[in-house]
Amino acid sequence: LAKTTQPISMDSYEGQEVNITCSHNNIATNDYITWYQQFPSQGPRFIIQGYKTKVTNEVASLFIPADRKSSTLSLPRVSLSDTAVYYCLVGVPYGGSQGNLIFGKGTKLSVKP
Amino acid sequence: DAGVIQSPRHEVTEMGQEVTLRCKPISGHDYLFWYRQTMMRGLELLIYFNNNVPIDDSGMPEDRFSAKMPNASFSTLKIQPSEPRDSAVYFCASRPVNSPTRVSGNTIYFGEGSWLTVV
Repeated sequence: LAKTTQPISMDSYEGQEVNITCSHNNIATNDYITWYQQFPSQGPRFIIQGYKTKVTNEVASLFIPADRKSSTLSLPRVSLSDTAVYYCLVGVPYGGSQGNLIFGKGTKLSVKP
Repeated sequence: DAGVIQSPRHEVTEMGQEVTLRCKPISGHDYLFWYRQTMMRGLELLIYFNNNVPIDDSGMPEDRFSAKMPNASFSTLKIQPSEPRDSAVYFCASRPVNSPTRVSGNTIYFGEGSWLTVV
């Protein structure tokens, strides 16, 4: 299983761009990188997923370098409502390897006014 | 779609009592997961099912825990007897089948959780 390492916590202010980096040195060829967001008192929800290079959606961008040993979740112009825990997951999103999706403890992002 | 539905949302029980948590996955999803979340251990995968069949239960902490999925629309997680260290939020989640050519649909959908307190 590809293990991930991400900071335990980060602080930011409203309007700033936040970048959360995740290390996954032993990522496998078929692994995808997926990020989830969890608000207090709720279950995690999908934010973005990628395999290589850059992926962008209405919520965030995901940057993946060529060696794929790390990835960076970028949240543009955060607001107070972006305060949450962010999880980086690495695994094969199809077939029988569903148990590879290990969440860990995530990065607790605190956005201040 | 109503999403993944869990019940009860909150439960307080005494040590030694049986606890049953229930889950209704999203219709059409072939995978169902049970997770447990605590401050100390984060979000842990307990067990998951594929087409109602348990695939991996290596995360189930001990024999006091059991999970069943009698049909595609219902699953239970049972703790008997319960202990104070079982206090946690238990999440049920489901996801559809994906293939190498349909990865864009790969997301796990979580319920709102069952908050269990064992006193």
